[in-house]
Amino acid sequence: DAGITQSPRYKITETGRQVTLMCHQTWSHSYMFWYRQDLGHGLRLIYYSAAADITDKGEVPDGYVVSRSKTENFPLTLESATRSQTSVYFCASSDGTSGSDEQYFGPGTRLTVT
Amino acid sequence: GEDVEQSLFLSVREGDSSVINCTYTDSSSTYLYWYKQEPGAGLQLLTYIFSNMDMKQDQRLTVLLNKKDKHLSLRIADTQTGDSAIYFCAEMGNAGNMLTFGGGTRLMVKP
Repeated sequence: DAGITQSPRYKITETGRQVTLMCHQTWSHSYMFWYRQDLGHGLRLIYYSAAADITDKGEVPDGYVVSRSKTENFPLTLESATRSQTSVYFCASSDGTSGSDEQYFGPGTRLTVT
Repeated sequence: GEDVEQSLFLSVREGDSSVINCTYTDSSSTYLYWYKQEPGAGLQLLTYIFSNMDMKQDQRLTVLLNKKDKHLSLRIADTQTGDSAIYFCAEMGNAGNMLTFGGGTRLMVKP
C-alpha cells in the first residue's frame, strides 16, 4: 500500500512487557516522527529521525527507544511498558523540514497498558 | 517550553461559519498550521501560514494571524456536517522540524 502505515492498529499489553510499534512509509521521505496523543495534551513529539541511522529526542522521549536502519521504517519500542504509556501513537513522515514540507500522518496505534 | 492553547469544544449549525481560535507563546514561530483529525484517523494538514502573513484564504477556509497578540484563527465558511472533527493548531519554531501542537478543538456541526 502506498503512503504511511502503522501496525498494529490496536495493542493491549501488560506492565513491564516490551512492545514495538511499527511504522512504514513508501515515499522515501527523509524525516520520520513519532508522536503520542493524550487527552488535553494534543500531540507530543517522542522521537524523530532525519535519515537512516540518525535519530533525536523530542519532547517526551523517556521510556522509548527508536531505530532507523532503513529509510522506510521507523519502529518505536517501549522497553518496559508502564500504564502512563497508554496512549494513541502516531507516526508521521515528511520530505524535509521547511515549514512548507507537510508532515503526513499514519492512522495511529491505540496502545493500552494494563 | 513553548505552549499552544485552544478551546476544547465548538458547536455550530450547518451553514453557519465556524471560528476556531488558537494562542501560542513562541515569538520565533515561523509557520503555523491547522490540522484536521476525523474519528479513528491520523491528522491531515488543512492549511498553513507563514509568520510574515496576516491572512490566507483557501476556498472555505480563512486563516488569520495576529503576530503581535500571538493569535491564530481558522474560519470555516458554510460549515457542513462533514467538517465535524477535531482541529489542531500547531506551530514551528525557528529551530525547524519540530511542531508544537495545541490540545485540539472538537467541532460539532448540527444539521
